[in-house]
Amino acid sequence: SQQGEEDPQALSIQEGENATMNCSYKTSINNLQWYRQNSGRGLVHLILIRSNEREKHSGRLRVTLDTSKKSSSLLITASRAADTASYFCATGGTDKLIFGTGTRLQVFP
Amino acid sequence: NAGVTQTPKFQVLKTGQSMTLQCAQDMNHNSMYWYRQDPGMGLRLIYYSASEGTTDKGEVPNGYNVSRLNKREFSLRLESAAPSQTSVYFCASSEGLANHHQLEQYFGPGTRLTVT
Repeated sequence: SQQGEEDPQALSIQEGENATMNCSYKTSINNLQWYRQNSGRGLVHLILIRSNEREKHSGRLRVTLDTSKKSSSLLITASRAADTASYFCATGGTDKLIFGTGTRLQVFP
Repeated sequence: NAGVTQTPKFQVLKTGQSMTLQCAQDMNHNSMYWYRQDPGMGLRLIYYSASEGTTDKGEVPNGYNVSRLNKREFSLRLESAAPSQTSVYFCASSEGLANHHQLEQYFGPGTRLTVT
């Protein structure tokens, strides 16, 4: 069964707008990771946030983690057409990751 | 530095046929993983190998076997393919654990398998 559930399942925005995706999970975690998947390709790691961190930035990406609510959000600022992809959260335990079902983001030029 | 490579890229099998999916990584990673991805289901872990010489079942291991041939290579075998195994298969590798934290994974390009 999936540990993480992303919300929304699909999101369409215009270039320049911000995109926010949410991830909820069920059990305690050591870290939470976000990945991007372009159509027909493998996943690419974006960012890792540890359970004792609340916020992390990487370029145009901002990730927050609320362990009390068992949720995380990924914000992509000033989106570009090239950001069009599926985004997955993955919760990290001690030996493996468990992936959510993903959010499909479409950015229109 | 090729990262994670998978062969073949595409495969069509008839029900009952067998095949082996190959995966290799050149990053000297300790851990390797096999996932399947189906529409609307995200990625589901089939088997993983935390280190050379060990393998463990993931969420959906039935109908599959794996071999960690050496530190670089991790193969996935379908002994008797079924239509339910039609999927895209991804191999991934990572350094494993650091201070009890599962580190980021690096993915191959995937194998699209159709079983008729």
